[in-house]
Amino acid sequence: GNSVTQMEGPVTLSEEAFLTINCTYTATGYPSLFWYVQYPGEGLQLLLKATKADDKGSNKGFEATYRKETTSFHLEKGSVQVSDSAVYFCALSERNQGGKLIFGQGTELSVKP
Amino acid sequence: EPEVTQTPSHQVTQMGQEVILRCVPISNHLYFYWYRQILGQKVEFLVSFYNNEISEKSEIFDDQFSVERPDGSNFTLKIRSTKLEDSAMYFCASSVAGTRQETQYFGPGTRLLVL
Repeated sequence: GNSVTQMEGPVTLSEEAFLTINCTYTATGYPSLFWYVQYPGEGLQLLLKATKADDKGSNKGFEATYRKETTSFHLEKGSVQVSDSAVYFCALSERNQGGKLIFGQGTELSVKP
Repeated sequence: EPEVTQTPSHQVTQMGQEVILRCVPISNHLYFYWYRQILGQKVEFLVSFYNNEISEKSEIFDDQFSVERPDGSNFTLKIRSTKLEDSAMYFCASSVAGTRQETQYFGPGTRLLVL
């Protein structure tokens, strides 16, 4: 079945460090790919998405490129801030007509000043 | 900016009791979803709902669970007889359309604790 695998956390970085959170997926068709972020005490918010191969999603300095050949959607940011501390979830959606999101296990990011 | 709201934010119940979790989706959205996240585990899909019918449900969504849109604004998840393993954070989400490209907007969640 379809699945999403993320790198294990927690990830601890210093402010202004470069961030990569790896995400790979398994899907039988042509999924859309998403990154959601969960700040402490809050719900999930869409960070960015890409709906077809080679698309790049970007938002708030974060980027991810949909790589069909490697079935990956790695999240990157050039310079993290303390306010980026959160849990990041990679997810896919394949089916139309109210299709579900399939989530990875989440990666906790902690950024120290 | 419109947002999905959920009530209550926390609920504690005794095993075997019925609980109803409430959600108000974004007003022009047509597709509604429930997910849950057991502490330390993945966010898991429970059910999707469109046009007053279930579109898809997971294996978790057994006969103990039901969903309803009792009026034009609320979307509810009922657990008939709660078990200890139902303790989790429950998230409601909604989307304008049900396509795979569509963004699902999540509420802040209801933390359910079954004792």
